[in-house]
Amino acid sequence: GQQVMQIPQYQHVQEGEDFTTYCNSSTTLSNIQWYKQRPGGHPVFLIQLVKSGEVKKQKRLTFQFGEAKKNSSLHITATQTTDVGTYFCAGNSNSGYALNFGKGTSLLVTP
Amino acid sequence: NAGVTQTPKFQVLKTGQSMTLQCAQDMNHEYMSWYRQDPGMGLRLIHYSVGAGITDQGEVPNGYNVSRSTTEDFPLRLLSAAPSQTSVYFCASSPLGGGTEAFFGQGTRLTVV
Repeated sequence: GQQVMQIPQYQHVQEGEDFTTYCNSSTTLSNIQWYKQRPGGHPVFLIQLVKSGEVKKQKRLTFQFGEAKKNSSLHITATQTTDVGTYFCAGNSNSGYALNFGKGTSLLVTP
Repeated sequence: NAGVTQTPKFQVLKTGQSMTLQCAQDMNHEYMSWYRQDPGMGLRLIHYSVGAGITDQGEVPNGYNVSRSTTEDFPLRLLSAAPSQTSVYFCASSPLGGGTEAFFGQGTRLTVV
């Protein structure tokens, strides 16, 4: 079955430093979604990428979808303490309805 | 709108007991799913449904049953709880099966002793 792998598992940065998390799928994805989960909370949708090579930005967050539609990345510029949480990628294969999540990257930002 | 509502928020069960985790959504979404979240394991798909009367297994279905008699409700049943089922359970819904934003409930924290 489809597997979505995400690295790193944890990242600890000083406020102002950049942060990147990477997502790789064992199969071609029809789309990739990114979610953020604050400590004690539930996952909240951030963005969806659909096209090969697509790049989207949300303020300090930049999302990329690979040319082969098997990998993606989330980059945060100049992290803030409000960025603390776990970031998940999730994808649908071309043939499936199920949304499969990576294990997530937990980001800790210290002031 | 209430969105996705899960009940209860917390539950303690004894090994061998049964219970149903409730999930309801008021957004008329076709697709609903259940995930469990364990430390270091991310969100693992248990079961999902693409519409009333249609369910399918995810990555970790053993020990869980589901049914979808209405569009709004998607309960998750534990027939005989085991300590390995101690976890946080999330229900999610989305307008279509695949390719659309998933809305999550607040979660149910289940402890099996």
